[in-house]
Amino acid sequence: EPEVTQTPSHQVTQMGQEVILRCVPISNHLYFYWYRQILGQKVEFLVSFYNNEISEKSEIFDDQFSVERPDGSNFTLKIRSTKLEDSAMYFCASSAGTGGIGEQYFGPGTRLTVT
Amino acid sequence: AQSVAQPEDQVNVAEGNPLTVKCTYSVSGNPYLFWYVQYPNRGLQFLLKYITGDNLVKGSYGFEAEFNKSQTSFHLKKPSALVSDSALYFCAVRDSWAGNNRKLIWGLGTSLAVNP
Repeated sequence: EPEVTQTPSHQVTQMGQEVILRCVPISNHLYFYWYRQILGQKVEFLVSFYNNEISEKSEIFDDQFSVERPDGSNFTLKIRSTKLEDSAMYFCASSAGTGGIGEQYFGPGTRLTVT
Repeated sequence: AQSVAQPEDQVNVAEGNPLTVKCTYSVSGNPYLFWYVQYPNRGLQFLLKYITGDNLVKGSYGFEAEFNKSQTSFHLKKPSALVSDSALYFCAVRDSWAGNNRKLIWGLGTSLAVNP
């Protein structure tokens, strides 16, 4: 069964450093998403991406964040200058683009720890 | 504002007994409702969804959920719980009035413990 994969599983970085979280969505999916979950809090939407551009972003997704689909398989989230409050589990998801209400399929997550 | 509430942090049930995990929601338009399950060190796995039609939807692993528009609820159920069902369960909603924006709004999650 196809699945979404994410690397690394755990990333530790120092405040102010740049991090790139990587995702490989399901191959025939057209919509891609990033969510995050701070420990003990709700899963929060960050951004959705379709047709090589951002289709929606939340207020969390400020200028420090960016997404890219550099090739036909990877989908990345970059945080330019990490802050302590960026520490969270980051989930990538993808969904089919048939025009219907496709469910989103999630990767296992990357735990980002900013020290 | 869109929101999802899962009023129980934890649900405990004996193996073989029926289980219910509660979810209520608030959206502007018609809701698209989803249940996901998370096992330790795993991602969020899709269980089932309600879009339209029959209020009772069936999903993976014997789970089902009932959409109740008047009570704005979408409770997850299973007739006979298994120990292996022990996990964290998340309810999520998408507002049909959001157009092409497909973000999911999430509840806090309910930890289900099934005791042997």
